[in-house]
This record gives sequence, C-alpha cells and structure tokens, in this order.
Amino acid sequence: AQSVTQPDIHITVSEGASLELRCNYSYGATPYLFWYVQSPGQGLQLLLKYFSGDTLVQGIKGFEAEFKRSQSSFNLRKPSVHWSDAAEYFCAVDSGGYQKVTFGTGTKLQVIP
Amino acid sequence: DTGVSQDPRHKITKRGQNVTFRCDPISEHNRLYWYRQTLGQGPEFLTYFQNEAQLEKSRLLSDRFSAERPKGSFSTLEIQRTEQGDSAMYLCASSLVTGGQVGEQYFGPGTRLTVT
Repeated sequence: AQSVTQPDIHITVSEGASLELRCNYSYGATPYLFWYVQSPGQGLQLLLKYFSGDTLVQGIKGFEAEFKRSQSSFNLRKPSVHWSDAAEYFCAVDSGGYQKVTFGTGTKLQVIP
Repeated sequence: DTGVSQDPRHKITKRGQNVTFRCDPISEHNRLYWYRQTLGQGPEFLTYFQNEAQLEKSRLLSDRFSAERPKGSFSTLEIQRTEQGDSAMYLCASSLVTGGQVGEQYFGPGTRLTVT
C-alpha cells in the first residue's frame, strides 16, 4: 500500500529565509506526487505535481519540489518565504494515476517577522 | 466557473441523528471524490465516482455512510446514526479525466461536522 511520511509536524521560519519541507513516500513503482497547501478556512490548493520527466518541478507561489527516486523523497522548497505562506502543507501520493490520493499528516508552517 | 462548492459549511448534530452533505463539482468534471479530514491529520480517501458510477469505497466508509451522484453532477454524502467519532471535515474534490490523462483534483472548502 502507498503511504506518505511528513516527519516535521511544525516548522517555524523567519520571513525571507529559505524553506524546505520534507516528504517521503512508500510505493513500489514511480508514483504521482503532489504538494497541497491548506490555509485556515480554505480548501486544499495544489502547489505542484510530479508525474514523470524532469525531476525538479516548479509550482505556483514560487515553490518547487524535487523528486529523488533513490531517497523516495519529494521535498518542497522555496528560496524566500513570505508571511502569507503560513499555512499547512500536505504531501500526497497517487499510486496508479487513478487519483486515489493518499495524504501525509501535514506540516504546519509558521512565519515570523 | 465558481469551483467546487459544498453545503453546508458547518453542521452540528446530536449523536444518533442523520446528516447529509452536498457537493457541487466543477461542471465539466467527470470525477468526484470524498475525503475526511480529522484534526491534525491529512485528508483520508473515502470514495470516488466516475460520472454517476461509484468506483471505489474505502474501508473507512462504514455501512452508516452512503454516497450518491445520481446524474453525474452533484453528489451527496449521508451519514446515518452519527457517532462522535464522525466529527471531522468532509472534503469534496473533482477532476477531469480524459483518455487516461490524469487531471488535477480541485477541492471544495469542506463541511465541518460536529457530533455532540
């Protein structure tokens, strides 16, 4: 069965600092990978996705993620965090492209001035 | 297009009562999904529809839960004889899948259920 691990429950960064959120997945083949953001009272919004091809994917709001097969990882990065990035971030995996998506437990990002 | 909408946004009910939630997907989307999200957890897949056909149900979906998508447009999720453990955010998402191409899932704002 597919699974996703987000080891960091809560991360605090200063505004303007760089950010990396970790995600590890478990699945036998190449999965479809996603990062979503959820702000309080808002629905989940897709930041970026990886299906195949270039292992460095660019997303919205200046985010990027890199797929590393050897490490079973799909870490999310942003070079300079803005206060509006404070939210909860979910990594997700879909094993067969049929969109039965399994989500991680999320990482809550706090941005301090 | 106004995106995926869900109604109601909040529902408080007493244990043992039945509740029904509605989801209106993006109009041209042929797939519709239901997820449940409890505090401190990520969304968990419950079920999904391709047009009006319910193609998969999670083991999380007990016999007290039923979902329908009668005309391949909006969907309803009913919970019978609610229990306190049913308290959660219920999320709906929709996507367009054509010719095997995987489309992005668009999520609604969710319905927050509180069972007292």
